[in-house]
Amino acid sequence: AQTVTQSQPEMSVQEAETVTLSCTYDTSESDYYLFWYKQPPSRQMILVIRQEAYKQQNATENRFSVNFQKAAKSFSLKISDSQLGDAAMYFCAYRPDPNRDDKIIFGKGTRLHILP
Amino acid sequence: GAGVSQSPSNKVTEKGKDVELRCDPISGHTALYWYRQSLGQGLEFLIYFQGNSAPDKSGLPSDRFSAERTGGSVSTLTIQRTQQEDSAVYLCASSSRVAWNGYTFGSGTRLTVV
Repeated sequence: AQTVTQSQPEMSVQEAETVTLSCTYDTSESDYYLFWYKQPPSRQMILVIRQEAYKQQNATENRFSVNFQKAAKSFSLKISDSQLGDAAMYFCAYRPDPNRDDKIIFGKGTRLHILP
Repeated sequence: GAGVSQSPSNKVTEKGKDVELRCDPISGHTALYWYRQSLGQGLEFLIYFQGNSAPDKSGLPSDRFSAERTGGSVSTLTIQRTQQEDSAVYLCASSSRVAWNGYTFGSGTRLTVV
């Protein structure tokens, strides 16, 4: 069965600094999607960034970028120039085989604190 | 609608009572998912509906939990004879099969069983 592991339950970073959140996953599939979701105190889950496994180039969305290491099954999120609004729970997630219907599997999350 | 709507936002119920949680997905989204988020935990998959196919119920924790989706749109998650361990945030999400780009989540229902 596929699993997603986030080994950092909590992290803190100084405002304007850079922080990296770790994620590893386990799968025997060759094609899949990976995601980072953000959950602020409002509970609304927001998609931050996504990566298709067949793409070698790391996805980037403004201050958010990923380091996707397919062989190592690693998918870390880098947040540059951290802002107070980045404080939230961050969930790494995996979806198998984009050509068939299936559910997303989530990690347990990393709570990110931004220090002013 | 413009987003995924869940109601109620918060629900407090007495142990042993039944509760119904509602999810109204984005219009045109064929897939609908229910997840449970307990304190300090990740999102636990409960059930998944896709169009007219039989739902994937593999995540339902016990036979006290059930869900239906009427007319391929609104879904109701029912918990019978609630227990204190059912206290959690219940999140609903929907997605489009045609242009799949992840889920769109609702804001969830926080259920507290006292």
